[in-house]
Amino acid sequence: QQQVKQSPQSLIVQKGGISIINCAYENTAFDYFPWYQQFPGKGPALLIAIRPDVSEKKEGRFTISFNKSAKQFSLHIMDSQPGDSATYFCRPWANDYKLSFGAGTTVTVRA
Amino acid sequence: DAGITQSPRHKVTETGTPVTLRCHQTENHRYMYWYRQDPGHGLRLIHYSYGVKDTDKGEVSDGYSVSRSKTEDFLLTLESATSSQTSVYFCAISEEGGAIGGYTFGSGTRLTVV
Repeated sequence: QQQVKQSPQSLIVQKGGISIINCAYENTAFDYFPWYQQFPGKGPALLIAIRPDVSEKKEGRFTISFNKSAKQFSLHIMDSQPGDSATYFCRPWANDYKLSFGAGTTVTVRA
Repeated sequence: DAGITQSPRHKVTETGTPVTLRCHQTENHRYMYWYRQDPGHGLRLIHYSYGVKDTDKGEVSDGYSVSRSKTEDFLLTLESATSSQTSVYFCAISEEGGAIGGYTFGSGTRLTVV
């Protein structure tokens, strides 16, 4: 049940660059679109989330952009820093408690 | 992590032995979840609970059982541990199934079955 497809699997970006991670989904019943950030040895933590009634949300250097017609939402990390090196997961929400998180995207920011 | 504690943090056990992992929350959230995380597979749901004594299976439930006798505790039991169950196990909690505020995860339990 591949309801969510995240890309790329990994990316390397230079300090100060922009990291972009995409999440494509199939279920049009999703109504909450969060991104989670996980550092090595830690559990994932909610980073930023958006509802489908807005197309973009910005929190500091992190921005979610949402394209309802394309059934896709993206995470942009502006001015990427070495401290942003982590694994990022998208996990849109509908009334489906059994949906797993998927493999995520490993971001490495080189100093 | 605030409000959610997993124990033990690390465990090494032998094949065929039963193992119980504990998740304790102080947030009074209705929903609790057990995930396992393996390289290349991400976070996969094992079981979840939507209330005391109310549980359901997730994507990878074979070989695992759960119990929730109190709102704050959710136990994961490996009835007879196998090497394929070597993994990092995460407990998570949420309000209203994750639609409000998302999931809060514990720090994980690293389980090695030898």
